[in-house]
Amino acid sequence: SQTIHQWPATLVQPVGSPLSLECTVEGTSNPNLYWYRQAAGRGLQLLFYSVGIGQISSEVPQNLSASRPQDRQFILSSKKLLLSDSGFYLCAWSRDRDEKLFFGSGTQLSVL
Amino acid sequence: SQQGEEDPQALSIQEGENATMNCSYKTSINNLQWYRQNSGRGLVHLILIRSNEREKHSGRLRVTLDTSKKSSSLLITASRAADTASYFCATDFNTDKLIFGTGTRLQVFP
Repeated sequence: SQTIHQWPATLVQPVGSPLSLECTVEGTSNPNLYWYRQAAGRGLQLLFYSVGIGQISSEVPQNLSASRPQDRQFILSSKKLLLSDSGFYLCAWSRDRDEKLFFGSGTQLSVL
Repeated sequence: SQQGEEDPQALSIQEGENATMNCSYKTSINNLQWYRQNSGRGLVHLILIRSNEREKHSGRLRVTLDTSKKSSSLLITASRAADTASYFCATDFNTDKLIFGTGTRLQVFP
């Protein structure tokens, strides 16, 4: 069966510090991978998506970047965090376009 | 904006009542999906309905899609306190990405 792992669950970082959030998928190959961010009590904002290794599409110009070094690994990074980067970050995967998404458990990031 | 818009933003009902949430969008889609999110958790997929379908059922859930009106509705029948959550519609707009709406917060009182 397929599983998605996202860590850490919570993270408190000072402004200006770097960030690395990792997401891995098991039990499938060549998944579509997604990073979303959710502000408190709000909807999901698509940040990045990837349909293959090294293929990253950015949806929102921002202080963040994403990489897909391996087929089932998706990493969200920042060189210098801003206060506005705080939020709930969710990784997700799907088998293909037109298919449902499977979400990780999320990372609550607080930038202080 | 391509984002879907849910209506209402919040809904409070008693157990046993039905809950109806609506989603509207602006451009053509290939499919529309509904998800549920419990507070502080990841989203869970509920139903996917394709553009050539008009209605789908899953247990107590019923989803309709009207592509001419660019709208969809999610009906939860005989609601339970455990149905308390936020519900989101998501659309693909014929692309590789899935764009989520703003969500409806449902509160079911015992």
